[in-house]
Amino acid sequence: KAGVTQTPRYLIKTRGQQVTLSCSPISGHRSVSWYQQTPGQGLQFLFEYFSETQRNKGNFPGRFSGRQFSNSRSEMNVSTLELGDSALYLCASSLAQQGTEAFFGQGTRLTVV
Amino acid sequence: GIQVEQSPPDLILQEGANSTLRCNFSDSVNNLQWFHQNPWGQLINLFYIPSGTKQNGRLSATTVATERYSLLYISSSQTTDSGVYFCAVSPYSGGGADGLTFGKGTHLIIQP
Repeated sequence: KAGVTQTPRYLIKTRGQQVTLSCSPISGHRSVSWYQQTPGQGLQFLFEYFSETQRNKGNFPGRFSGRQFSNSRSEMNVSTLELGDSALYLCASSLAQQGTEAFFGQGTRLTVV
Repeated sequence: GIQVEQSPPDLILQEGANSTLRCNFSDSVNNLQWFHQNPWGQLINLFYIPSGTKQNGRLSATTVATERYSLLYISSSQTTDSGVYFCAVSPYSGGGADGLTFGKGTHLIIQP
């Protein structure tokens, strides 16, 4: 079956702009989580969605937001981009049951100039 | 929040060698996973192992939840094992990637 698909793979934006990233989970998976990876801070949890509801959120400013659609696809949005937002953004999906593993996509590499 | 420490941070081995990677965590967890990040950035799930022992080919993992540590064993290393290995934990019981705290990883280089 198809894996987790993230689009676009690469993105270059200018400081102050906003960006939307997309994540299509594995078919049947209802939980989608987002992570930011930077050389300095490593992998950090942004938020998790299940059945269109945000259940948990990491420690990021309100400029970072997300949503999940009825087909479980998810988007995350970053507004008023800063240079420090340059990172690899990873999305993971799972069945959201105890004992189930996470499957990550290949990520979107965002560069803010 | 939960703190995760991985050791060693870097490891260079010859092909065929065995290795043990360690993950210490600061609080009780319901979710612990090991991942391998390949050179293209994708995280590949190796084990879901909040407790007990599992084996998959040349890889095995053990988590001693009462002592708050997990070990990943790689036997007969191959060059394709190179990459960064991450341990990730979460207090949430829903599995998956919800609220995972990642360690800084062990960067493994296998030389031919």
